[in-house]
Amino acid sequence: GEDVEQSLFLSVREGDSSVINCTYTDSSSTYLYWYKQEPGAGLQLLTYIFSNMDMKQDQRLTVLLNKKDKHLSLRIADTQTGDSAIYFCAETAPGAGSYQLTFGKGTKLSVIP
Amino acid sequence: DTAVSQTPKYLVTQMGNDKSIKCEQNLGHDTMYWYKQDSKKFLKIMFSYNNKELIINETVPNRFSPKSPDKAHLNLHINSLELGDSAVYFCASSPSRAPYEQYFGPGTRLTVT
Repeated sequence: GEDVEQSLFLSVREGDSSVINCTYTDSSSTYLYWYKQEPGAGLQLLTYIFSNMDMKQDQRLTVLLNKKDKHLSLRIADTQTGDSAIYFCAETAPGAGSYQLTFGKGTKLSVIP
Repeated sequence: DTAVSQTPKYLVTQMGNDKSIKCEQNLGHDTMYWYKQDSKKFLKIMFSYNNKELIINETVPNRFSPKSPDKAHLNLHINSLELGDSAVYFCASSPSRAPYEQYFGPGTRLTVT
C-alpha cells in the first residue's frame, strides 16, 4: 500500500537552510511533489521531480531524490520568515486513468527571526 | 485570473442539513478532485472526475456526492450533515498529461454545529 511519511515540525533561524524530509513506499511512483500551505490558504505547488531524476533545483529550492531508499528532501536556502508554512510531500503513480495524490501529513516549518 | 475557485469560503450549518460546495477551474484541465483536510491538517482524497466520469471514489459516506455539470466544474453535495463532517474541503484540478500537477482552490471551511 501507499504511505508517505514526514516529520511534523521543523524550526530554523532566518537565513539558515531548511531541509524537509519525506519517505514514501510506493515503488511505482512516477512523480513526487512538494506543496506549501500557508495559514488559511490552499495548497501551492512548489516543485515536482520525476522519479528517474536525482536532483532538481529551482531558485532557492533544491529537491533531492534517493529512489533506492525512497527518500525525498526539500532544501530551502536562505530561509525567510515568509517561508513559514506547512510543507506537504506527495506522490502519484498514474495509471488506468487514475491520478491520485497521496500526501504526507505535512511538516510545519517555523522560521525564527 | 483565479485558476481554481470555490464557493463559499466558509459554511456554518446545523446537523442534518444538506449543503453544496461549488468549484470551478479555468485552466482547461481534464481532471478535478475533492480533498478533505481534517483538524490535524491531514489531506485525504475523496473524489476525482476525468472528462465527466468518476474515476476514483474513496471510501467516503454516500452522503457525499460529486456532481460535474461540465469539465470546468465539480460541485460537492453533502446530505444529512454530521459533526464529523466539519473540516476544510479543497477542490483541485490537473491536466491528463505529465507531470499531472494538481492546482488547488482556496478551500471551504465547513463547520457543522
